[in-house]
Amino acid sequence: DGGITQSPKYLFRKEGQNVTLSCEQNLNHDAMYWYRQDPGQGLRLIYYSQIVNDFQKGDIAEGYSVSREKKESFPLTVTSAQKNPTAFYLCASSGGRRYEQYFGPGTRLTVT
Amino acid sequence: QQQVKQSPQSLIVQKGGISIINCAYENTAFDYFPWYQQFPGKGPALLIAIRPDVSEKKEGRFTISFNKSAKQFSLHIMDSQPGDSATYFCAREGDKLIFGTGTRLQVFP
Repeated sequence: DGGITQSPKYLFRKEGQNVTLSCEQNLNHDAMYWYRQDPGQGLRLIYYSQIVNDFQKGDIAEGYSVSREKKESFPLTVTSAQKNPTAFYLCASSGGRRYEQYFGPGTRLTVT
Repeated sequence: QQQVKQSPQSLIVQKGGISIINCAYENTAFDYFPWYQQFPGKGPALLIAIRPDVSEKKEGRFTISFNKSAKQFSLHIMDSQPGDSATYFCAREGDKLIFGTGTRLQVFP
């Protein structure tokens, strides 16, 4: 089955620790995205990558980092500099028009 | 940042009724206006999308109406069913996809 996988589904970390969220796609899409979802705030773009070895900051990139070494993988690191990291994180990819994005099932990160 | 304002925040509809969700945007320099549907604990999925040169697009029970002069677009769900209960996001496609804040729809039998 083609699609996007995110792991793990739930992640718990202590404050001050960096944590990396996994995102893999087998859709052969060039573009990949990371969004953060908080109640009442919709989806906000963290980082995006339109091609391997290149990525751009989205609207809320502070405290996050990414890499794009392979076409199918776009991991997100939530660093200790992110002041409010507890959220639902969604990875997406697109192969053509930007409006047509395919989302993974998400990772719910809780930092205490 | 060009935002998309979405209303209402939540909506309760009886089975068989019409659900209407509205969105407003700030300028017309966008290519497509998509709607996404998200079930609890899942990622959003594209439901339907419309170009700004089209006034209406229908796919089954789902219809997008686009009012370019008012800079508004809306999603109508006809004959709403309990299985339609989800959160719906409008969005606009520019250099990035910008989402509205979402509408939680509950359809009761």
